[in-house]
Amino acid sequence: EDQVTQSPEALRLQEGESSSLNCSYTVSGLRGLFWYRQDPGKGPEFLFTLYSAGEEKEKERLKATLTKKESFLHITAPKPEDSATYLCAVHPSGYALNFGKGTSLLVTP
Amino acid sequence: NAGVTQTPKFQVLKTGQSMTLQCAQDMNHNSMYWYRQDPGMGLRLIYYSASEGTTDKGEVPNGYNVSRLNKREFSLRLESAAPSQTSVYFCASSASNEKLFFGSGTQLSVL
Repeated sequence: EDQVTQSPEALRLQEGESSSLNCSYTVSGLRGLFWYRQDPGKGPEFLFTLYSAGEEKEKERLKATLTKKESFLHITAPKPEDSATYLCAVHPSGYALNFGKGTSLLVTP
Repeated sequence: NAGVTQTPKFQVLKTGQSMTLQCAQDMNHNSMYWYRQDPGMGLRLIYYSASEGTTDKGEVPNGYNVSRLNKREFSLRLESAAPSQTSVYFCASSASNEKLFFGSGTQLSVL
């Protein structure tokens, strides 16, 4: 059974305090791993797609990496506006993404 | 550029009532999806439509029906609402079954 597990469930950081979010997955035939950001009361917003182990992608203070079993979302020197829930999803063989439960990030000034 | 538009944004129903959630996308995407999001459960797929004229069940289809009206529109119907269907519903679309674009959601309460 395809599974996606995100940790931690919640993370509180001070502004400027770098950290990483984890997404571990078990899936047969991975066709892509996705990171989304979700703000309260809104739909998820696409951040990154990773396709193969060793791949990295960056956007502003965020960097996503992928291994054969997990992905990390590294947040460097976060700001309060980075506060959101970050969702990981995998695309197994088939038509739809399987989502993890998310990590709720709070960055305090 | 509107993207994915869902209506209504909020709805309160009594047990047994029916309603239809509407979704439209203006990106000419082939695939459309309905997810529900519950605290502690994450996003779960209800139904999807890989292309116009086709629909398939997802992880939690019981109690729901869908209609792919045309390439732009994909509706979700609750025939007899139950309290267990209290949730936030998201419609999404994609060009190639990968990168999804989401609507802003419908918050549904069933009393």
